[in-house]
Formats: sequence, C-alpha cells, structure tokens
Amino acid sequence: NAGVMQNPRHLVRRRGQEARLRCSPMKGHSHVYWYRQLPEEGLKFMVYLQKENIIDESGMPKERFSAEFPKEGPSILRIQQVVRGDSAAYFCASSSSGGAYEQYFGPGTRLTVT
Amino acid sequence: AQTVTQSQPEMSVQEAETVTLSCTYDTSESNYYLFWYKQPPSRQMILVIRQEAYKQQNATENRFSVNFQKAAKSFSLKISDSQLGDTAMYFCAFMNPTSGTYKYIFGTGTRLKVLA
Repeated sequence: NAGVMQNPRHLVRRRGQEARLRCSPMKGHSHVYWYRQLPEEGLKFMVYLQKENIIDESGMPKERFSAEFPKEGPSILRIQQVVRGDSAAYFCASSSSGGAYEQYFGPGTRLTVT
Repeated sequence: AQTVTQSQPEMSVQEAETVTLSCTYDTSESNYYLFWYKQPPSRQMILVIRQEAYKQQNATENRFSVNFQKAAKSFSLKISDSQLGDTAMYFCAFMNPTSGTYKYIFGTGTRLKVLA
C-alpha cells in the first residue's frame, strides 16, 4: 500500500514564476492537508481539503496561493508569482476521514526560489 | 487559540542513555490528541507516538514513552537506550477533533543529537 506521494521532491523557480506542487493521498484517503515548513521552523497548517471542497484555508496566505483537490487526480498547491520568502518545504498529509486523528505525511516538496 | 511550546531548541545525549524532550500546550478543550513526530535529515515526518487526552495511561512504543500530565498541559517524550539513529528533529503536535478542521498544531521542534 503506497504511502502519500508528493512530486516533485525538489523544485526551483525564479522570482515571478508559478510553482505547482502535487500530492497523491494514500489509497482510500479522501482528506488532504497541506503544511509549510520554513527553514529552522516547525510545520504550519495551510489548508484542509476533501474531494472537490476546501474545508479550512485559514492558514493560506491571502494572495498568490491556492489549493484544489479534484474528484480525479492529485491535490495541487499552486503558488503564483513566487517570491524568495516562499522558499520552504511543503508537506502534504492525508487521512481516511476527518475524524481519523492520524494523518500520514508525504516526503515533502522542497521549493527554492532564486 | 491553541499553542504548542517546545522550550529546548537543541539537546544531546550519549548513546544508550535516556533523554527527555519537553512539550507544553495551551487549550481550553478537554478532548484532543497529542503526537510526537521525528524528522530525520531526509525530512520525512515519522510518527513516534500518540496520546489521546481521555486516556489516563501514558502511551508507550518500545523505547519511546510519554509523560502526559493533563492538568499541567505537559506532554514530554522519553527516549530510553538512545541510538545513533534517533538523531533528528522532534516535533510535538496537538489536534482538536471537535474543531471540525483536524489540523495539527506543531511546536518549533527540538534538535536531538545522539553521541557515540
């Protein structure tokens, strides 16, 4: 049973470009969470999605960031017009239901903005 | 708002010795979950141990155990017989299932180095 998959593992973008980060949850999981880890810091919640719905986006920056989890395919975290401050590790986690307290984490995507 | 505090940015321990990492949290909820995650240099987040707040018994997983003090809002992790492979960042996390969002709130982490 494959775990949570994230790709790419490493992504380099120039300032002003767009970054797309993908997350495939564990098989049978329909709840996805995105977290961001800035250098030397802990993980910070960004957004919680179920299939085709955003449940909680209270941790998302108001501009340039968006997330989706379509009926088919992976969840996407999209960052438009990236800036150097967006450089971080972005982690996706999934759970089988909202009430399932355990989230399973992917290996993360390391975004570097040059 | 809930907060999680890890007051030890770095710790070191000799191989085979025991070390305790501290974590405190703030909440007005009575039902919640607490976790310890390990993050080695690979950056993969690995669940070490979890505790349900309604359980009085402290959780144990092999060499890892917790000291859960609900009234004091304290959740420390004890690693016994430390091994070189335990070298990693350790994060304490809190989750309130009644919030409807199930998001984890993480502390800032403790960097543990096990010395040979």
